[in-house]
Amino acid sequence: SYVLTQPPSVSVAPGETASITCGGNNIARTSVHWYRQKPGQAPVLVIYYDSDRPSGIPERFSGSNFGSTATLTISRVEGGDEADYYCQVWDSSSDWVFGGGTKLTVL
Amino acid sequence: EVQLVESGGGLVQPGRSLRLSCAASGFTFDDYAMHWVRQPPGKGLEWVSGISWNSGKMTYADSVKGRFTISRDNAKNSLYLQMNSLRSEDTALYYCAKDVTVRGVNTEPFDYWGQGALVTVSS
Repeated sequence: SYVLTQPPSVSVAPGETASITCGGNNIARTSVHWYRQKPGQAPVLVIYYDSDRPSGIPERFSGSNFGSTATLTISRVEGGDEADYYCQVWDSSSDWVFGGGTKLTVL
Repeated sequence: EVQLVESGGGLVQPGRSLRLSCAASGFTFDDYAMHWVRQPPGKGLEWVSGISWNSGKMTYADSVKGRFTISRDNAKNSLYLQMNSLRSEDTALYYCAKDVTVRGVNTEPFDYWGQGALVTVSS
């Protein structure tokens, strides 16, 4: 089965840039989607098809996918960005797979 | 406004059954594939099952295959998850989620999620 690996935690100061990685075997061959989940809330799609933003998601959120690593980048981080972030891919052998999640802490 | 409202969760003994429902509104339900995703307390997300817009394709995670059945009633704008032979490891918050693409083939991301229904499997 396909496995996605995320760092458990990332910390960043307000106004700085946060990068959250998602590793998978040749992940660049497939599309990666990213969700944000704040405590007690349902997940929200923030990036889909590697780098597209749904309506309502700020331009500060961007994504890339090269080689074996996809990256969610949040520029000019704000306190309200503090949340758990999950990457997701569809794989023909595993169907839908989520990464383990990364807790973003704003210092 | 898109709304997904899950119901049917609760406390159930191991080996017993439970049926979750998800009532959808604010979009043309029969145009979209739908999914169930669960989250054990304090843990990450796990996709459980998906169903195409016309019920022509149903898919399951290996962890629930043979025990859970997904279905939908497009006339009632509702999604269901029949859960049999429940185990303690099935304890989780169960979300229903909507596919992002009209008449997709269960391989598109999820753009709307409900608030979840809590299922606790314990004796």
